[in-house]
Amino acid sequence: GQNIDQPTEMTATEGAIVQINCTYQTSGFNGLFWYQQHAGEAPTFLSYNVLDGLEEKGRFSSFLSRSKGYSYLLLKELQMKDSASYLCAVISQTGANNLFFGTGTRLTVIP
Amino acid sequence: GAGVSQSPRYKVAKRGQDVALRCDPISGHVSLFWYQQALGQGPEFLTYFQNEAQLDKSGLPSDRFFAERPEGSVSTLKIQRTQQEDSAVYLCASSLAFSGHTIYFGEGSWLTVV
Repeated sequence: GQNIDQPTEMTATEGAIVQINCTYQTSGFNGLFWYQQHAGEAPTFLSYNVLDGLEEKGRFSSFLSRSKGYSYLLLKELQMKDSASYLCAVISQTGANNLFFGTGTRLTVIP
Repeated sequence: GAGVSQSPRYKVAKRGQDVALRCDPISGHVSLFWYQQALGQGPEFLTYFQNEAQLDKSGLPSDRFFAERPEGSVSTLKIQRTQQEDSAVYLCASSLAFSGHTIYFGEGSWLTVV
């Protein structure tokens, strides 16, 4: 089976840095995605990691360690609009594209 | 179109009623997925198409759920004899090809069964 764990909720202050962790146990591994989802809206792509290491994209960075089954999403210089759910998802099979999602981490940014 | 389009955006169905949810993927996208998202949860995989072929339907919760993509573009998710536990957001997503490509989601069809 597939098991993806991430914290349910987090709170952080505007301007600060927050790290959202994700651990996974899947039957295979072919990449890990992070999505942002505002309430009532579609998930939107943030990052994709398939090799170990850090991928940086503006204020957002994502890290992957395949040996540890671990990833994190780092958000810098938090803004109020960053309040949303952050979904960690794994592709477990080569040649298939079905993503398995965690339950999401609801981030609240406070002034 | 510019993005994945889903209709209806909102649907209220009486228990026992059949519903059909439509998805227009991004033009040229080979892969199409349906996900079910309950309130406060992450999306759960339902089914996957590669062009018109339904390659994986392991996530469909019962035989009341049926999906098709007859011409390899538009897809329909049909739910027969709806029940209250079917109330959820049904998300459609598409991607250009196979593994490793970004998957783009539609805004979802919000189904409420009363």
